[in-house]
Amino acid sequence: GQQVMQIPQYQHVQEGEDFTTYCNSSTTLSNIQWYKQRPGGHPVFLIQLVKSGEVKKQKRLTFQFGEAKKNSSLHITATQTTDVGTYFCAGPRVNAGGTSYGKLTFGQGTILTVHP
Amino acid sequence: GAGVSQSPRYKVAKRGQDVALRCDPISGHVSLFWYQQALGQGPEFLTYFQNEAQLDKSGLPSDRFFAERPEGSVSTLKIQRTQQEDSAVYLCASNPGRLGVSNQPQHFGDGTRLSIL
Repeated sequence: GQQVMQIPQYQHVQEGEDFTTYCNSSTTLSNIQWYKQRPGGHPVFLIQLVKSGEVKKQKRLTFQFGEAKKNSSLHITATQTTDVGTYFCAGPRVNAGGTSYGKLTFGQGTILTVHP
Repeated sequence: GAGVSQSPRYKVAKRGQDVALRCDPISGHVSLFWYQQALGQGPEFLTYFQNEAQLDKSGLPSDRFFAERPEGSVSTLKIQRTQQEDSAVYLCASNPGRLGVSNQPQHFGDGTRLSIL
């Protein structure tokens, strides 16, 4: 079945360092979404990428969607303690009939800790 | 309401008991999803409703799991004869589900943390 994998599983950085998490899908994705989950919290939507090779920026966060639409990355420049949390990528989960209904397959997430 | 509301926040049950988890989605949201999140893992899809219709229940792990949304708003996830492996956080998410828009951001509730003793 469809698999979405993320690396690394954990990343510990010093405040001010950069951070990158990578997402790979076993199948081509029509789009990919990124979510952030703070400790004890729920996933919060960050962004959606749709086009092959698309790059989007949100302040210190840069999101990329691969040319083949099977991989994506999130890069944070100059991390801050407020960036702490787990970052998930998620792609449409398509059933045998090819229907998604908008449901998602999530990666296992990358846990980011930032040392002040 | 302002966001997706789930209750209870925490539930402890003995193995074999039945539990019911409630989700109150954002008002007017057509689509409602249930996910199960084990510790250290991403959310895993359980089931999907479009209004009151359960269009996809392919992620429900067994026939002990049952979900309903009878009036197209509030949804209940019921687990019968709970087992220890059911311990997880159960997340509910909704989105407007506008026709012709294939993938929209999902708005998650805070989840119910279920512990089976």
